[in-house]
Amino acid sequence: GESVGLHLPTLSVQEGDNSIINCAYSNSASDYFIWYKQESGKGPQFIIDIRSNMDKRQGQRVTVLLNKTVKHLSLQIAATQPGDSAVYFCAENTGGFKTIFGAGTRLFVKA
Amino acid sequence: DADVTQTPRNRITKTGKRIMLECSQTKGHDRMYWYRQDPGLGLRLIYYSFDVKDINKGEISDGYSVSRQAQAKFSLSLESAIPNQTALYFCATRQGNEQFFGPGTRLTVL
Repeated sequence: GESVGLHLPTLSVQEGDNSIINCAYSNSASDYFIWYKQESGKGPQFIIDIRSNMDKRQGQRVTVLLNKTVKHLSLQIAATQPGDSAVYFCAENTGGFKTIFGAGTRLFVKA
Repeated sequence: DADVTQTPRNRITKTGKRIMLECSQTKGHDRMYWYRQDPGLGLRLIYYSFDVKDINKGEISDGYSVSRQAQAKFSLSLESAIPNQTALYFCATRQGNEQFFGPGTRLTVL
């Protein structure tokens, strides 16, 4: 069935280093892929999305890479800060209304 | 003020009780969603609504019902709560590819 999963449940990085969070997906028909950030005690918050016909998109300190050949999505965070500590979810939009979420990766930033 | 609000934020109830979780939004979005979040499982869709007259089941709708009272309000009910409905519940609106989530309701069913 459809699934969006993550390679690592937790990731620990040093402050100032770059972070890379990975995600695998299985639905080739998804038209958009999205990354959400969830801080403790809050709902998920949209970070960035990428259309399925693109392979890279950059935002402020974040870059999303899409490799459709191996059905892999990644989120790169440059110069990771303590405020980046959170759970990160990848998600895919299918059919215009449905979003499938992955299980999440917890990012710890060490000072 | 928050754009998507949920009440209550925390609730402890007993098996068999009827529970209603409420969601309100000021974003003016037509699309609203209810999800539950369990550790290690991400967010799973319970119900969604495209407008006041449109209600659709998600992947885990059994044991739940919803009501879209107005564009701004979408409530989730558990008719007879059971312990495996203990979870964190999120309401969300959607515009384009972006979903806007409320702060969540932590529900514990004893």
